[in-house]
Amino acid sequence: DTEVTQTPKHLVMGMTNKKSLKCEQHMGHRAMYWYKQKAKKPPELMFVYSYEKLSINESVPSRFSPECPNSSLLNLHLHALQPEDSALYLCASSRGGTGRGNEQFFGPGTRLTVL
Amino acid sequence: AQSVAQPEDQVNVAEGNPLTVKCTYSVSGNPYLFWYVQYPNRGLQFLLKYITGDNLVKGSYGFEAEFNKSQTSFHLKKPSALVSDSALYFCAVRGQNAGNNRKLIWGLGTSLAVNP
Repeated sequence: DTEVTQTPKHLVMGMTNKKSLKCEQHMGHRAMYWYKQKAKKPPELMFVYSYEKLSINESVPSRFSPECPNSSLLNLHLHALQPEDSALYLCASSRGGTGRGNEQFFGPGTRLTVL
Repeated sequence: AQSVAQPEDQVNVAEGNPLTVKCTYSVSGNPYLFWYVQYPNRGLQFLLKYITGDNLVKGSYGFEAEFNKSQTSFHLKKPSALVSDSALYFCAVRGQNAGNNRKLIWGLGTSLAVNP
């Protein structure tokens, strides 16, 4: 299985809602990533988990809360988001840790709209 | 500081012609270099990477890239473009000696349009 899956594909939420994005991989990768991407822009790194521990937090607002329950799963909990948080949220994974020359495998993304 | 430049926002090429998407980088020490492609409304797909060794790297879908250390470039090429190659292409770099700076640095992307 060489796939990263993400659910849901689309999500519309109000500014007072709480929702979660989910990501799963079964490639035995030990690094997992959350990115935010605006249209026609490069992905912006949000969080990195390496061996199930949070290793990078790119100064993301606390309304985004990541969780890595096990080596195959990654969640992103959302609360009190702002309209400017509307974007494509991408999950990725890579073999081993975050360093070296390991390429990242991306999921299809969750298209998030905050009303 | 590490950086990546993709000097062209858009590249247009006729189907069947060769294509080149340019990328230059700046890192301290040797680089790890990557190309990713993003089709409309899709996630990013890995195309190829340079780690060490042969300067010409072959990747998916007939793409290749040449690492040029003296020019600090890693241009993506394909001998004969297809309409289905139309997509957004990102170059990314990480220094091999980046230490605690483990994240990829991404270029701004180049939109490739292949015309029938």
